[in-house]
Amino acid sequence: KNQVEQSPQSLIILEGKNCTLQCNYTVSPFSNLRWYKQDTGRGPVSLTIMTFSENTKSNGRYTATLDADTKQSSLHITASQLSDSASYICVVTAASGGSYIPTFGRGTSLIVHP
Amino acid sequence: EPEVTQTPSHQVTQMGQEVILRCVPISNHLYFYWYRQILGQKVEFLVSFYNNEISEKSEIFDDQFSVERPDGSNFTLKIRSTKLEDSAMYFCASTRTQDHAFFGQGTRLTVV
Repeated sequence: KNQVEQSPQSLIILEGKNCTLQCNYTVSPFSNLRWYKQDTGRGPVSLTIMTFSENTKSNGRYTATLDADTKQSSLHITASQLSDSASYICVVTAASGGSYIPTFGRGTSLIVHP
Repeated sequence: EPEVTQTPSHQVTQMGQEVILRCVPISNHLYFYWYRQILGQKVEFLVSFYNNEISEKSEIFDDQFSVERPDGSNFTLKIRSTKLEDSAMYFCASTRTQDHAFFGQGTRLTVV
């Protein structure tokens, strides 16, 4: 069964600090991996999307990495801001016979304190 | 900036009633999706729609659910006979290609 596991479940950091969120998956066959930011009560917002051949993708202060061999991804947030407080969701899409099914992780809840 | 809009923002309905959740995807997008998120749980994929037909659906998307693109702009999700466990936030999303998906703000469905 395709699964996406994220860690930690929650994280509290001080403003200005860096942090790294982890995502492990068993989704197969792999198509792409996306990281989303979801503010409470809002829809997810896309941060990065990576395919099999990509190791690193940056979007401002967000840098995602992908190791397709170990089926692991990370999202690194640099110089955190109060507005970074949100849930960060890893989504891995399987592709088979022309069909694409996304599997969502439970998310990491990040709280940035001043 | 173009965005996906969903209406209503909150819908309360009695068990057994039919509900229709509405979405206006971004105008030049071609792929449309519905997801749901039960309170405190992860987002779950329901269905994807392309070229006026369902391209994928999950196990959750049973005969109680249907989707429609009745005109060139709206994309709707219908639940025929709502159950208590259908209470959730329902998100619509659209993409131009199989790339970054743009999500709407969601419709909170409460079944009583």
